[in-house]
Amino acid sequence: EDKVVQSPLSLVVHEGDTVTLNCSYEVTNFRSLLWYKQEKKAPTFLFMLTSSGIEKKSGRLSSILDKKELFSILNITATQTGDSAVYLCAVAADSWGKLQFGAGTQVVVTP
Amino acid sequence: EAQVTQNPRYLITVTGKKLTVTCSQNMNHEYMSWYRQDPGLGLRQIYYSMNVEVTDKGDVPEGYKVSRKEKRNFPLILESPSPNQTSLYFCASRAEGVSYEQYFGPGTRLTVT
Repeated sequence: EDKVVQSPLSLVVHEGDTVTLNCSYEVTNFRSLLWYKQEKKAPTFLFMLTSSGIEKKSGRLSSILDKKELFSILNITATQTGDSAVYLCAVAADSWGKLQFGAGTQVVVTP
Repeated sequence: EAQVTQNPRYLITVTGKKLTVTCSQNMNHEYMSWYRQDPGLGLRQIYYSMNVEVTDKGDVPEGYKVSRKEKRNFPLILESPSPNQTSLYFCASRAEGVSYEQYFGPGTRLTVT
């Protein structure tokens, strides 16, 4: 059975801190790993990673995939209160891109 | 504006009363999907559709039906809702191709009493 596990489940940080979120997976037909941000509404797309070792970066957010060890990390540097959200990791594991989601990590950034 | 729309956004109903949640996308996407989101369980796929008249079960299809008669629409039908179907529902779509990014609708919060 395909599985996506995120850790930690939640964390609270102060503005300016750096956050590292983890996503490990066990799927039979890996295609890509995706990160989404969810703020009390629909998930919004952050990154899609397909190749190992290539960092994707967008502003203060970055992510990397390790296909040998079957995990990905999402880093947020210089956190702001606007980064408070649930961060979802999902793996596309068939030709149609069915997404298998992890339970998410709730990040709270305090002023 | 490219978007996925869902209606209604909020619904409170009673056990056994049939309901339909509509989903429509204006991006000409082939692939559409329904998810439910429950605390601690993340998003779980209910049904998906690869194109018109082609649908298949996801991970939690029991108690749900779907149809795909037109490319843009993918309604979710609950023939006889039960309290364990109280959840937040998302419709999503994506284009056929290399990117697996799915675009999500705003969500429908359903409460079944």
